[in-house]
Amino acid sequence: AQKVTQTQTSISVMEKTTVTMDCVYETQDSSYFLFWYKQTASGEIVFLIRQDSYKKENATVGHYSLNFQKPKSSIGLIITATQIEDSAVYFCAMREDSAGNKLTFGIGTRVLVRP
Amino acid sequence: NSKVIQTPRYLVKGQGQKAKMRCIPEKGHPVVFWYQQNKNNEFKFLINFQNQEVLQQIDMTEKRFSAECPSNSPCSLEIQSSEAGDSALYLCASSLTGLGDAEQFFGPGTRLTVL
Repeated sequence: AQKVTQTQTSISVMEKTTVTMDCVYETQDSSYFLFWYKQTASGEIVFLIRQDSYKKENATVGHYSLNFQKPKSSIGLIITATQIEDSAVYFCAMREDSAGNKLTFGIGTRVLVRP
Repeated sequence: NSKVIQTPRYLVKGQGQKAKMRCIPEKGHPVVFWYQQNKNNEFKFLINFQNQEVLQQIDMTEKRFSAECPSNSPCSLEIQSSEAGDSALYLCASSLTGLGDAEQFFGPGTRLTVL
């Protein structure tokens, strides 16, 4: 079974609107870390934002924010005021203490921002 | 822009040939990771190092994969005898610490094609 699941294959939105994408994860650890990355058309992978499992507040960085619902094992990414350059594939990833340092990724959600 | 340097960007090999790729982590980052991303966007963790020591690795069956991070030299990942199924994007990432909350920063990848 997948440990990190992104069910939305692709999303298309108009520029300057908000896009939300889902991610659910599976872990037995009491402490874990959740990350979102984006991969641009050139293949570059860029770190966006992190949520620590013990923090109740949703993380926010620039126009990225998270919707962390721990009881549902869910970590959604919200991008507000989208720009054309936000078009990319977005990956959710988890790091569990029990699994060492490695990241476990979802299979990504492709976002297209239309002008 | 990524400060993790990977060379070469593209690598084409015939089946049975050796394939070697290199990674220079971001300055000051002692922890290095290798991941394989296939055409279905699935990430597979391969190995990681702290300085020159292996921290964690998958069971590299058949021992076709080897990796090292020598002192004062680039890290490297080598496939001894390439197979068609090895065709993928090989990503190197580095982080400041081996702690769970440390973000991993990715290089642009080496795209391996095995003919």
